[in-house]
Formats: sequence, C-alpha cells, structure tokens
Amino acid sequence: QVQLQQSGPGLVKPSQTLSLTCAVSGDSISSNTAAWAWIRQSPSRGLEWLGRTFYRSQWSSDYEESVKSQITINSDTSKNQISLLLSSVTPEDTAVYYCVREIHPGGYFQNWGQGTLVTVSS
Amino acid sequence: DIVLTQSPDSLAVSLGERATINCKSSQIISYSSSYKNYLAWYQQRPGQPPRLLIYWASTRESGVPDRFSGGGSGTDFTLTISSLQAEDVATYYCQQYYALPYTLGQGTKLEIK
Repeated sequence: QVQLQQSGPGLVKPSQTLSLTCAVSGDSISSNTAAWAWIRQSPSRGLEWLGRTFYRSQWSSDYEESVKSQITINSDTSKNQISLLLSSVTPEDTAVYYCVREIHPGGYFQNWGQGTLVTVSS
Repeated sequence: DIVLTQSPDSLAVSLGERATINCKSSQIISYSSSYKNYLAWYQQRPGQPPRLLIYWASTRESGVPDRFSGGGSGTDFTLTISSLQAEDVATYYCQQYYALPYTLGQGTKLEIK
C-alpha cells in the first residue's frame, strides 16, 4: 500500500520560500511507472497541478507555466522522498498543498498525501 | 491549457436515486491510435484529499463501489452514481491527463435532497 506523508511549515512570510517534503512508502520514487507531483487547492484557483518529477534513466521535471519561475521539485532517493520549493511567495500562494503519485503510462493521480495548509502572511 | 467544465456546480439527489455529473473538455482528450480517453474522476469529502474513483474515463479503481461508473468519449464525459448513499456526499472532480499541464474541473458538490 502506497502512502505519502507530508511535512513542512504551515506559515510562510511573503517573499520567502515555501518548503514541503513528501516521504513515500510502498513504492520507489525511482519507479518507471510513477511520477511524483505537487497539486494545490484554494477557493480561488480550485485544484491546480504545479509540477512533477520522475525517473526514466535520469531525473526529469515538468512545471506549470504560471509557477515555472518560482518552483523546484527535488528528489532524494536515499530517503525515498520528494520536496517542493516555491520561492518569492505572496498571499495568493496560500493553499492546501498535496503530494501526489501519478501513474504512468497515463497520468492519473492514484495516491495523495494528507495535505498541508500553507498560509502566506506576515 | 485544456479547460474542463463540469455541470452542474451543485446537485441534490434523494437517497437511492441516480446522480449524474458532466464534464466537458475544451478539446478532444483521446488519441485515435489507442481509443483511450485520458480522463479521471475523483471524490473529495470535506477535510480529506481527493480519492481516485475512475480512470481511462470508465475504469473503476480498486475498492470503488460498482454504483460508480464513468462514460463518454472525445470531449463529453459523465460520472454516474446509480443509487446514492449517504457516504457519497462530497465534491467530485474530473481531470484530464492528455496534455500538460494536467487540469481539473471546478468541481460538483453533491448533497442529499
């Protein structure tokens, strides 16, 4: 059974960097039938796919255009976890952030982390 | 980006009755070579993350009750709950994985009448 356990602060100051970690159990993040994504949810934007990382003989990432200048998704195979960094945050980045396992071939979201409410406020 | 528009935004159905939710894509989300439709459905109960119900438009995820079914092709898709149960009260979302960025509909809130 695949489980995704998220951790990280719930409050970030404007202009700072949001940092979240997702520890994966039950699957390897190097699996060639999965990708590891971050999705956020807010009342104003709904559910928004931010980006993903995946391993297919080497690590690659894809990012949503509107956050491309802010976002980095990293992998740590020694800990079997991925991380999200979102720089220069504003109050508009306030949302519940989810770590998600995408199934490939395809791209549907089979497993979700528990969610982390991140509030951007001074 | 592919836009998914769900209808209705909210829906009230009596226990035991059928509920149907629609999802319309701004473009075709299937490849003619595979005849597969790149659409999934999720259920989100309050305070919980979304849960995968259906993928490839009509394939039920393991453990999902068979009262849930998905249909449609091309640009028009439906999620049907054949006999509404109290635990089905939730918001439902469709998602396309045909092209990046993956996008989801705005959600349909399902309540008991």
